[in-house]
Amino acid sequence: QAGLTQPPSVSKGLRQTATLTCTGNSNNVGNQGAAWLQQHQGHPPKLLSYRNNNRPSGISERFSASRSGNTASLTISGLQPEDEADYYCSAWDNSLSAPVFGGGTKLTVL
Amino acid sequence: EVQLVESGGGLIQPGGSLRLSCAVSGFTVMSNYMSWVRQAPGEGLQWVSLIYSDGTTYYADSVKGRFTISRDNSKNTLYLQMNSLGAEDTAVYYCARNGADFDYWGQGTLVTVSS
Repeated sequence: QAGLTQPPSVSKGLRQTATLTCTGNSNNVGNQGAAWLQQHQGHPPKLLSYRNNNRPSGISERFSASRSGNTASLTISGLQPEDEADYYCSAWDNSLSAPVFGGGTKLTVL
Repeated sequence: EVQLVESGGGLIQPGGSLRLSCAVSGFTVMSNYMSWVRQAPGEGLQWVSLIYSDGTTYYADSVKGRFTISRDNSKNTLYLQMNSLGAEDTAVYYCARNGADFDYWGQGTLVTVSS
């Protein structure tokens, strides 16, 4: 199944703001939005944002999701060392009747 | 407290079969969409299979005809029967709630297909 497109890596400085992108099409991101997941090495993914851009309970307000057309974005403000992780987007694809993932973005906090 | 605990992984020879289990507590499996997602070593997440609350099932093309997702409502447990395993199936297998907003995940179980 075709996946969503994410940049492989993003690097930003401590306390800066990083914006990660996830591009799909009208059948997935453009239709119902994208969820965002964070994964630290050796751990399972953790949901940061639902497809409707709402945060689950316990997720910091520093994580903010949005969407414009077929592209979803995750903005992380005030970067901290613990934000260094892999970030994945996921969306439901109506044409596939299946979920699709992005390839993931490795965020490095300098 | 919500917990998903996978088991059943291990080393298996090519062509072999394994059944993974995901024991769930804190919510009812039969009332939710449940997915299996895998992650090959050093790679990204790949959706494998999904079962709807009404029992409808879906599979990624790469596993269709070889894998079967099911659940035991009395045990509140999700399963993944994997047959005709190949090296390309080597991965950590996670069970997760939902079908795109994956809000709860297990710790994963490693499946290694090798002779």
